[in-house]
Amino acid sequence: DIQMTQSPASLSASLGETVTIECRASEDIYSNLAWYQQKPGNSPQLLIYDANSLADGVPSRFSGSGSGTQYSLKINSLQSEDVASYFCQQYNNYPYTFGAGTKLELK
Amino acid sequence: QVQLQQSGAELAKPGSSVKISCKASGYTFTSYYISWIKQTTGQGLEYIGYINTGSGGTNYNEKFKGKATLTVDKSSSTAFMQLSSLTPDDSAVYYCARRVHWFAYWGQGTLVTVSS
Repeated sequence: DIQMTQSPASLSASLGETVTIECRASEDIYSNLAWYQQKPGNSPQLLIYDANSLADGVPSRFSGSGSGTQYSLKINSLQSEDVASYFCQQYNNYPYTFGAGTKLELK
Repeated sequence: QVQLQQSGAELAKPGSSVKISCKASGYTFTSYYISWIKQTTGQGLEYIGYINTGSGGTNYNEKFKGKATLTVDKSSSTAFMQLSSLTPDDSAVYYCARRVHWFAYWGQGTLVTVSS
């Protein structure tokens, strides 16, 4: 199985700040990567697919980048509603696998 | 609008089975596969497998073979997951999700608690 190593595990940032979350795959996943946001008590919501494509309805302050084994999610101008956990997911190989998550809090 | 409505929370005894449902609406059911995903605090998100809603064909994560059985009822646009021989390690929130390869639509989750 492809291992997805996500960092940091937790992050504290101020409103208006730019935040970056990293995800490293154990092998090349050819940009077959998605990012999700999950708020407490809710289901995960798709933010990014194909490493850098913004899902419908997702604010443009979210962006994804990367290739090969290294990927990142950037949140520009952090808003209070962005407080959540964030997960990456690879879909290059079965079984699909997820990162362990990054918990984002306000400073 | 696309909706996936899951059945309610389950409290089950060790060794028993539970069957969770996921009713789809707002799109052509057989046009998309349904996947199932397990979430626990300790293990995070784990992919269980998917069912081809048109043919009923399935693909399972090796880890969940023998534990999960995926089925579908096209007449009611509902997917099912049966979990068997339950142990406390099966306690989790289980999600269904509409699959492309990423998951754009998720059910609200079903909490399964295994306890004697």
